[in-house]
Amino acid sequence: AQSVTQLDSQVPVFEEAPVELRCNYSSSVSVYLFWYVQYPNQGLQLLLKYLSGSTLVKGINGFEAEFNKSQTSFHLRKPSVHISDTAEYFCAVSATDGQGGKLIFGQGTELSVKP
Amino acid sequence: DAGVTQSPTHLIKTRGQQVTLRCSPKSGHDTVSWYQQALGQGPQFIFQYYEEEERQRGNFPDRFSGHQFPNYSSELNVNALLLGDSALYLCASSSGLRPGTEQFFGPGTRLTVL
Repeated sequence: AQSVTQLDSQVPVFEEAPVELRCNYSSSVSVYLFWYVQYPNQGLQLLLKYLSGSTLVKGINGFEAEFNKSQTSFHLRKPSVHISDTAEYFCAVSATDGQGGKLIFGQGTELSVKP
Repeated sequence: DAGVTQSPTHLIKTRGQQVTLRCSPKSGHDTVSWYQQALGQGPQFIFQYYEEEERQRGNFPDRFSGHQFPNYSSELNVNALLLGDSALYLCASSSGLRPGTEQFFGPGTRLTVL
């Protein structure tokens, strides 16, 4: 079984400041890792994913994440945030040997960017 | 190219009633997954359909059932509604069953049970 823990439920930050949203996971099998963003009253949009290869993954909207297998972490970062980045962010995993890629999500981190 | 669409947008039901939610996958996709997102929580996997069969199921009671049609669209049915079933129900579509394949999410159906 897999589980995902997002270490911060809310992250307030000022515009143009850097931000890091933390994600740790637990799994008895190898996993793929994902970050999704959810804007108010909308569905989820994929920001980036790690399947294999380089542990530093670049995504859309200037976000990047680093997979750390020894620490079972997949933290999301952005060097300079914008007001428009205000949203809920979800970290998720799926087993590499699982049919169909069932996603297991964390509880979410609410990013609030202030002017 | 239309993305994943869901209907209705909002729904209000009373305890004990039954509800059907609908999902049309993104063009070219043949796999549909359903998730329940309670307020302030992350989405939880309900089940997944491929080739008109349920392929995987999460930890949800039998009151939750589904169906996939030959055109790949899908329905989620919930019987004997409980107050705790109030949530945003998300449909996600993808191509095939290969792990790691990107899932595209619809805007969701907000179900309120009174």
